[in-house]
Amino acid sequence: GESVGLHLPTLSVQEGDNSIINCAYSNSASDYFIWYKQESGKGPQFIIDIRSNMDKRQGQRVTVLLNKTVKHLSLQIAATQPGDSAVYFCAENMEGAQKLVFGQGTRLTINP
Amino acid sequence: DTAVSQTPKYLVTQMGNDKSIKCEQNLGHDTMYWYKQDSKKFLKIMFSYNNKELIINETVPNRFSPKSPDKAHLNLHINSLELGDSAVYFCASSQLGIYNEQFFGPGTRLTVL
Repeated sequence: GESVGLHLPTLSVQEGDNSIINCAYSNSASDYFIWYKQESGKGPQFIIDIRSNMDKRQGQRVTVLLNKTVKHLSLQIAATQPGDSAVYFCAENMEGAQKLVFGQGTRLTINP
Repeated sequence: DTAVSQTPKYLVTQMGNDKSIKCEQNLGHDTMYWYKQDSKKFLKIMFSYNNKELIINETVPNRFSPKSPDKAHLNLHINSLELGDSAVYFCASSQLGIYNEQFFGPGTRLTVL
């Protein structure tokens, strides 16, 4: 399953499928990007980050892709599990600004 | 072993009251933040402090006053509460520098009646 940027805030996928959550960031001067996961009633939790000098970074079951040409960031979750149900946020940090600007968030739901 | 803790978790109060939210981190971080998350889940930074010094102050009404007694604590005091202040407030901390992960607390849900 795949979401389209900030215009489709909900993504439903089958358990075991791969999920792709997209994010269109706003500032071409941003040089650091983070994906956070927020479960219901909890604070955001770090998933993975990437600097602007990279275009791909992999973690455990997650991959972040960065396309600076079109200012696009995506989070791929492999073999989605029920525990992946949450709201996912991308965040960007502008060079020198020392603050994160969060995107709208995408709610990921898992169908059994 | 809670890394970033906030109290209280829930706060229900009347318009016009003054209230405080406390935050503590035991990670040894230099920088602490307050964020506001509205009903649509939009998360926006309000303040950040580095070693007790204010470094970011977004466009926030001056009814909101952060206080950092030491680098492990960042409290948020809100005067004359308004209905629009109802939200979830998150504290976070990180090492100094932009390439460092921010660790978030569990949030304080403030409801103004």
